[in-house]
Amino acid sequence: GDSVTQMEGPVTLSEEAFLTINCTYTATGYPSLFWYVQYPGEGLQLLLKATKADDKGSNKGFEATYRKETTSFHLEKGSVQVSDSAVYFCALDSGAGSYQLTFGKGTKLSVIP
Amino acid sequence: SQTIHQWPATLVQPVGSPLSLECTVEGTSNPNLYWYRQAAGRGLQLLFYSVGIGQISSEVPQNLSASRPQDRQFILSSKKLLLSDSGFYLCAWSVKGPWGELFFGEGSRLTVL
Repeated sequence: GDSVTQMEGPVTLSEEAFLTINCTYTATGYPSLFWYVQYPGEGLQLLLKATKADDKGSNKGFEATYRKETTSFHLEKGSVQVSDSAVYFCALDSGAGSYQLTFGKGTKLSVIP
Repeated sequence: SQTIHQWPATLVQPVGSPLSLECTVEGTSNPNLYWYRQAAGRGLQLLFYSVGIGQISSEVPQNLSASRPQDRQFILSSKKLLLSDSGFYLCAWSVKGPWGELFFGEGSRLTVL
């Protein structure tokens, strides 16, 4: 079945550091890939997405490129801020008529001043 | 614009007591609706989804149930709570058709004592 594996957290970075959160997936067909972010005490919200191979999703300084050859969708940001502290979830939609996204377990990011 | 609300935000209940969490969506018609549970260290688990009034699909056997009495209302219930039901419950909606974004509510924190 479909699965998403993302790096274990928590991740602690200093402000302005470079961020990478790794995400790899297993899926049949041609999935769409997503990153969701959950700020403390809130629900999830979509951060960015990519629907086909080599697409790059970007939002709020975050980027992720859909790499079919390595089945990866790593999240990156060049300079993190304290306000980026949150839990980040990688997810996929297999596009096979399923009604659910498959989520990774989440990676908690803490950015310290 | 579309909005989603769920309540209560926080709930502390004794073991064996009933549960009712409610979710409503505004600004859209005939959405797909979802209940997820987020337990510590376990990511997001899909509990139920609904594609229409009275249509409920369960993803995980448990002592919880869901109902959709109106197009934009989704209710999560239990007759007798277990300690293991503690967690953060998230309602979400999406449009019909090819996959796009999930829109999440603010979440309900349930503690069973």
